[in-house]
Amino acid sequence: DAGITQSPRHKVTETGTPVTLRCHQTENHRYMYWYRQDPGHGLRLIHYSYGVKDTDKGEVSDGYSVSRSKTEDFLLTLESATSSQTSVYFCAISESSGYNEQFFGPGTRLTVL
Amino acid sequence: GENVEQHPSTLSVQEGDSAVIKCTYSDSASNYFPWYKQELGKGPQLIIDIRSNVGEKKDQRIAVTLNKTAKHFSLHITETQPEDSAVYFCAASMGGSYIPTFGRGTSLIVHP
Repeated sequence: DAGITQSPRHKVTETGTPVTLRCHQTENHRYMYWYRQDPGHGLRLIHYSYGVKDTDKGEVSDGYSVSRSKTEDFLLTLESATSSQTSVYFCAISESSGYNEQFFGPGTRLTVL
Repeated sequence: GENVEQHPSTLSVQEGDSAVIKCTYSDSASNYFPWYKQELGKGPQLIIDIRSNVGEKKDQRIAVTLNKTAKHFSLHITETQPEDSAVYFCAASMGGSYIPTFGRGTSLIVHP
């Protein structure tokens, strides 16, 4: 398995609180992604990074921000969590975009009460 | 941007039967089509992919077909086994610097 870890694996928080999810990789892959998975919606891209300090928005980026200060770490922050952000969040990595396989982490289940 | 439709959302088969999952895409420039399998409690994992210069690709019991004219591609699983039970995602990409767009997933249930 590709070396991807996500922390925390489970989190319950209250509406209005800030939340940060961490993705850590040991593969030295250039690209890192954050997806959310919801029933009936499949995998939706939140943000992605194509290098240190290089990030771009995905289709559902509102309410989320990201940072990548090191190749191995990609942080997803919910500035003020809402119940609509209750979801399972997956981090993924790939050597490049386009034709390259994405390797997914184990996921973080976030519940916002 | 690219839009990928995937059907059916749920597929129930008996062990040994074949299963077919279909996807359509909107952008004729897409030229890379991966399929991912997600087992319960895990992240998705690539099982097979195809590029637009190929019409069909097989790997043991799984195969993917691509019809560029109709802009659709399909995953075929033969001789299904209980361990094939999972959620399957198709995706489409224009290659290069483009990020793949995923379909909504198909939950495949194989009954022993």
